[in-house]
Amino acid sequence: QLQLQESGPGLVKPSETLSLICIVSGGSISSSDYFWDWIRQPPGKGLEWIGSIYYSGSTYYNPSLKSRVSISVDTSQNQFSLKVNSVTAADTALYYCARKGWDGIDYWGQGTLVTVSS
Amino acid sequence: EILMTQSPATLSVSPGERATLSCRVGQYISSNLAWYQQKPGQAPRLLIYDASTRATGIPARFTGSGSGTEFTLTISSLQSEDFAVYYCQQYNNWPLSTFGQGTKVEIK
Repeated sequence: QLQLQESGPGLVKPSETLSLICIVSGGSISSSDYFWDWIRQPPGKGLEWIGSIYYSGSTYYNPSLKSRVSISVDTSQNQFSLKVNSVTAADTALYYCARKGWDGIDYWGQGTLVTVSS
Repeated sequence: EILMTQSPATLSVSPGERATLSCRVGQYISSNLAWYQQKPGQAPRLLIYDASTRATGIPARFTGSGSGTEFTLTISSLQSEDFAVYYCQQYNNWPLSTFGQGTKVEIK
C-alpha cells in the first residue's frame, strides 16, 4: 500500500523559506505513470494546487506561486521536496503531498500544518 | 489561470435525499475534471475522474456528468457518511490543475 508522509517545521518566520519533504513508501517515485504533487489548504478554506514534479525532475507550478516555489525530487531516497520563499501569513496552511495519475490524485499524505508567524 | 466556480457554497439535504452539486469552468476543458470528497480532519478522496468515471471503490450513488464547461456531481441518496465538502478539479493542461472552492453538503 502506497503511503506518503510530509515532514518539516511547523512554524516559519515571515520572509523566511518554508521547506517540506514528502517521503514515499510502498511504491517507487520513479514510476513513469505518475506525477507527485504539493497541495495546500489554509485553515477553514479550500484546496490550492501548488505544483507537480515528475521523477525525471520536470516541474510544473501554479502560475500564482511560481515565482516563490521550487519542487525537487530525490529518487535515491524516494522522496520529493517543496520550498516556498519569502513566506507571509497567507502561506499558513495544511500542506499535502500526493500522487497524481491520469485518473486523478489517488494517494494523499495526512498533511502537515505550517504556520507563518514571528 | 482557469476559473472554477462551484455552487452552491452550502447544500442542506436530508438523509436519503438527492444532492446535486455544480461546477462551472471558465473555459472549455472537455471531460478533464475530477471530484473529491473531504471530511473534517481527513485528506481529500478521489470520487470521479474524467468527469464521469467512478474511482475504485466509490459507490454507485455517486454520479458525475457534464463536459466542456458545465459539470455536475449527483449523490442519489445521501448516506450519513456523505456529509462532507466536495471539490471539483480541472486538469485540462495536465499536470497543471485548479480546484474549485468547494461545496459543503450538510444535514438538513
